[in-house]
Amino acid sequence: KQEVTQIPAALSVPEGENLVLNCSFTDSAIYNLQWFRQDPGKGLTSLLLIQSSQREQTSGRLNASLDKSSGRSTLYIAASQPGDSATYLCAVPNYGQNFVFGPGTRLSVLP
Amino acid sequence: NAGVTQTPKFRVLKTGQSMTLLCAQDMNHEYMYWYRQDPGMGLRLIHYSVGEGTTAKGEVPDGYNVSRLKKQNFLLGLESAAPSQTSVYFCASSYSGVVDEQYFGPGTRLTVT
Repeated sequence: KQEVTQIPAALSVPEGENLVLNCSFTDSAIYNLQWFRQDPGKGLTSLLLIQSSQREQTSGRLNASLDKSSGRSTLYIAASQPGDSATYLCAVPNYGQNFVFGPGTRLSVLP
Repeated sequence: NAGVTQTPKFRVLKTGQSMTLLCAQDMNHEYMYWYRQDPGMGLRLIHYSVGEGTTAKGEVPDGYNVSRLKKQNFLLGLESAAPSQTSVYFCASSYSGVVDEQYFGPGTRLTVT
């Protein structure tokens, strides 16, 4: 079974800092990897989907990279803002028709 | 487009009662999923469907049943609720399964007393 871990579990930074969130997975034979954001008491919002053939995907201040051979993905957030405070989760396909999620990184950006 | 919607948003049940959670999507997606999210356990897949009329078990299916009679709807049933089923339930959908982006509903917060 695919297993997904995320480091760190929690992160607190001052506004304006650049930061990196990490996602690791055990089976590198994946189609893609998806990053989500979850605000407290809310559902998951898709941020970026990286296909297995891509190495990077960018959306605004967010940049996600994928290294299948090492089983890792990173989410880079540039010039962090208090509005970025949320839990960030990554998800990868399992061996069948579904997905496995990481436990998430809880980010706090302090004004 | 409304995307993925869930009904109800909140519900309190007594042990032994039954209920059905409704998920609806208007994106013509083939695949639909039910997850539960618990503190310290993350998101876990309950059941999923790869198309109208199909269902399959996920990681934690016990105590739940599902039906996909229409392509746009995916129902999650609890026949006899237990306190262990207190959780936040999320529905998601995607066009072609694991090769595509998942879209989530806002969640249903269920408490079983």
